[in-house]
Amino acid sequence: DAGVTQSPTHLIKTRGQQVTLRCSPKSGHDTVSWYQQALGQGPQFIFQYYEEEERQRGNFPDRFSGHQYPNYSSELNVNALLLGDSALYLCASSLAGGLGSYEQYFGPGTRLTVT
Amino acid sequence: LAKTTQPISMDSYEGQEVNITCSHNNIATNDYITWYQQFPSQGPRFIIQGYKTKVTNEVASLFIPADRKSSTLSLPRVSLSDTAVYYCLVGPSISGNTGKLIFGQGTTLQVKP
Repeated sequence: DAGVTQSPTHLIKTRGQQVTLRCSPKSGHDTVSWYQQALGQGPQFIFQYYEEEERQRGNFPDRFSGHQYPNYSSELNVNALLLGDSALYLCASSLAGGLGSYEQYFGPGTRLTVT
Repeated sequence: LAKTTQPISMDSYEGQEVNITCSHNNIATNDYITWYQQFPSQGPRFIIQGYKTKVTNEVASLFIPADRKSSTLSLPRVSLSDTAVYYCLVGPSISGNTGKLIFGQGTTLQVKP
């Protein structure tokens, strides 16, 4: 049973560019959340997707957008990259309404470096 | 969501029991207490969740006093591989939870040989 997978593992972009990060949830999960983790900080919630819709959003600008596909996989897009967007981007999956829904399964993350 | 306070760092030695305490004075009636573990360059991993009294699994124990204003994560006989950041989270679980996890800075546990 594959856990949460993310691609790519590492990415280097230049300021002003756009980036797309991908996530495949754990088998049987239908909800995907994205988090940004700066060095030395805890993960910060970006948004969550369920049934192909953004269900909840954290305090991130519109440059951050996402998508969920019918197979529950998800993408995180960041436009007009800033140096401050350099971070580890984590994807987490869960089962909506399931018991212990506070238990989310995280992927290994994508390390984004903006130069 | 209730704010949590936990020590920034802790040191221990292999074989010792480690207790990490988290304060959450404003915990709500329907809030659960959840702990995550994170190794460098990896995503956080769920350790344990509880509502009151004591919860134990194969990894850790969680002690919650009657007033629920604090909780203690107990790791028995730690090894070097337990060196990680431990996050305490408080929020509603099951019904009403939309899955938004609020992480603080966590406690960096360093286990020494």
